[in-house]
Amino acid sequence: AQKITQTQPGMFVQEKEAVTLDCTYDTSDPSYGLFWYKQPSSGEMIFLIYQGSYDQQNATEGRYSLNFQKARKSANLVISASQLGDSAMYFCAMREGIQGAQKLVFGQGTRLTINP
Amino acid sequence: GAVVSQHPSRVICKSGTSVKIECRSLDFQATTMFWYRQFPKKSLMLMATSNEGSKATYEQGVEKDKFLINHASLTLSTLTVTSAHPEDSSFYICSARAPGLYTEAFFGQGTRLTVV
Repeated sequence: AQKITQTQPGMFVQEKEAVTLDCTYDTSDPSYGLFWYKQPSSGEMIFLIYQGSYDQQNATEGRYSLNFQKARKSANLVISASQLGDSAMYFCAMREGIQGAQKLVFGQGTRLTINP
Repeated sequence: GAVVSQHPSRVICKSGTSVKIECRSLDFQATTMFWYRQFPKKSLMLMATSNEGSKATYEQGVEKDKFLINHASLTLSTLTVTSAHPEDSSFYICSARAPGLYTEAFFGQGTRLTVV
């Protein structure tokens, strides 16, 4: 079963607009972490934001915020005031549990294009 | 933030030869590192979990004899693609998790392998 689902293969947004990238997840473990990474064309994976399953508030990091809806099992990334440099692939990922290796499982990714 | 260095960034090798890719955590000790493979326009697929001082744990369907992993120290893991074939051409990327329970994984820059 797919543990992380990103249903938007591509998104096109006008510069300076806000954009929401969708992510839903599936787990039965009460302890988990959700991550968003940005991958520009160079290939590097840039960590953007983290949300723990027990966190009471939505995570925010500068222009990035995570809309965490636990009951719906969704962890959407919101980018405010988009910039041309935000054009990249965006991956949602989940780490389950607090024991063991805690590997990351990634969604399919969303390609975001910011238009001038 | 923590830095993970991966080398080489690009490599072209002849079919039948072996290629070694290094992944180093530069400013923290990583008991666990992860190796991913990414096909064009696809997500990251976890290949194996590299454990310092012990054998790697491979994901289902990944040939352990083809992709040799060695984690000889707390700062270095290597992936060797043995007897490479054109179908092994891909983007390989490693990550290391910083110490602590709820921490993000930091990624290397990735290695683009082309087998000719």
